[in-house]
Amino acid sequence: AQSVTQLGSHVSVSEGALVLLRCNYSSSVPPYLFWYVQYPNQGLQLLLKYTTGATLVKGINGFEAEFKKSETSFHLTKPSAHMSDAAEYFCAVSETGTASKLTFGTGTRLQVTL
Amino acid sequence: DAGITQSPRHKVTETGTPVTLRCHQTENHRYMYWYRQDPGHGLRLIHYSYGVKDTDKGEVSDGYSVSRSKTEDFLLTLESATSSQTSVYFCAISPGPENIQYFGAGTRLSVL
Repeated sequence: AQSVTQLGSHVSVSEGALVLLRCNYSSSVPPYLFWYVQYPNQGLQLLLKYTTGATLVKGINGFEAEFKKSETSFHLTKPSAHMSDAAEYFCAVSETGTASKLTFGTGTRLQVTL
Repeated sequence: DAGITQSPRHKVTETGTPVTLRCHQTENHRYMYWYRQDPGHGLRLIHYSYGVKDTDKGEVSDGYSVSRSKTEDFLLTLESATSSQTSVYFCAISPGPENIQYFGAGTRLSVL
């Protein structure tokens, strides 16, 4: 069974500050890992993914995440927050293999202040 | 939203009435999913489909049924809506490899 834990349901940062959203996963097999972003009243949009290869993955809008197997973590970072980054962020895990189901974390709402 | 249309976008209904939500895709992707989103729970899988007429249950399938008679359409039915089914429902599609899923804009359902 897979599970995802996102630490902090709400995170607030100042514009220009580092963004760090935490995600830890549990999986009995090597996982695929994802970050999705949801803006108000919209669906989820894929930010980035880790499947195989390089453990530091870059996504859209300047975000990146690092897969750390020893820590079972996949934290999302961005060096400098922008007001437009305010949204809800979801970490998700699936088993490798075609069309395995995604298991989502409960989400972290990012607030960006002036 | 990657060629995915959910309808209706908003619906208010009464307890005990049947409700059908539709997900239509133009991407010809094999896999389709229905999730519900509730505060504090993230997204939870209701049902999914891995091909025409091939469906399976997710973690919160009680009270829901699905049908997929064509590649492009995946229907979610609440046979007798209850207030606990008030939620935002999302459809997702996937071509398969790497399990990347693409989401529709959602349907906000209120059961009074």
